[in-house]
Amino acid sequence: DTAVSQTPKYLVTQMGNDKSIKCEQNLGHDTMYWYKQDSKKFLKIMFSYNNKELIINETVPNRFSPKSPDKAHLNLHINSLELGDSAVYFCASSADETQYFGPGTRLLVL
Amino acid sequence: GIQVEQSPPDLILQEGANSTLRCNFSDSVNNLQWFHQNPWGQLINLFYIPSGTKQNGRLSATTVATERYSLLYISSSQTTDSGVYFCAVETSGSRLTFGEGTQLTVNP
Repeated sequence: DTAVSQTPKYLVTQMGNDKSIKCEQNLGHDTMYWYKQDSKKFLKIMFSYNNKELIINETVPNRFSPKSPDKAHLNLHINSLELGDSAVYFCASSADETQYFGPGTRLLVL
Repeated sequence: GIQVEQSPPDLILQEGANSTLRCNFSDSVNNLQWFHQNPWGQLINLFYIPSGTKQNGRLSATTVATERYSLLYISSSQTTDSGVYFCAVETSGSRLTFGEGTQLTVNP
């Protein structure tokens, strides 16, 4: 009965590779988000989708591309991974007020 | 953009002690949430509290929107309360801006 789930939980990859992180929510929420938490634990929003439409796109490199096939899923594809992309990526969803977060995906770029 | 400041940055307590964490924000907000990030990294909602006071067990929170601050109270702390406590605010468009967190350590 997981509310917001992400796969994979851990991702270790080489610089230059392309990888994807998947997110699914079973809460029936219309809005989904991607956040990045850096090594100092600072959390910052990257993207937000509402009913499969992009509504927030922060200053994120073009190598990051979100895709929402339906309102229950928001995937994050990253091209040409760099060392600085190493972080924990959190997916979240909301109806109106409270945002609910997934367990996070720990990405390590070597 | 809006600034969110949390204090203290670090807090060490003995089990059973009480504590107050503070969150100041620089502009009017539509939404304010408190989160606990446990040592395993999971972000757990504690309160949605854009104004007023709420209580949930040993935790309570108060937001004074007109003075742009929120307080999180932890009473009779337990070792399982350890982790990072984040305050996050939303001004418009569902964009949550997080503070830098308070790292809480509760020693047995």
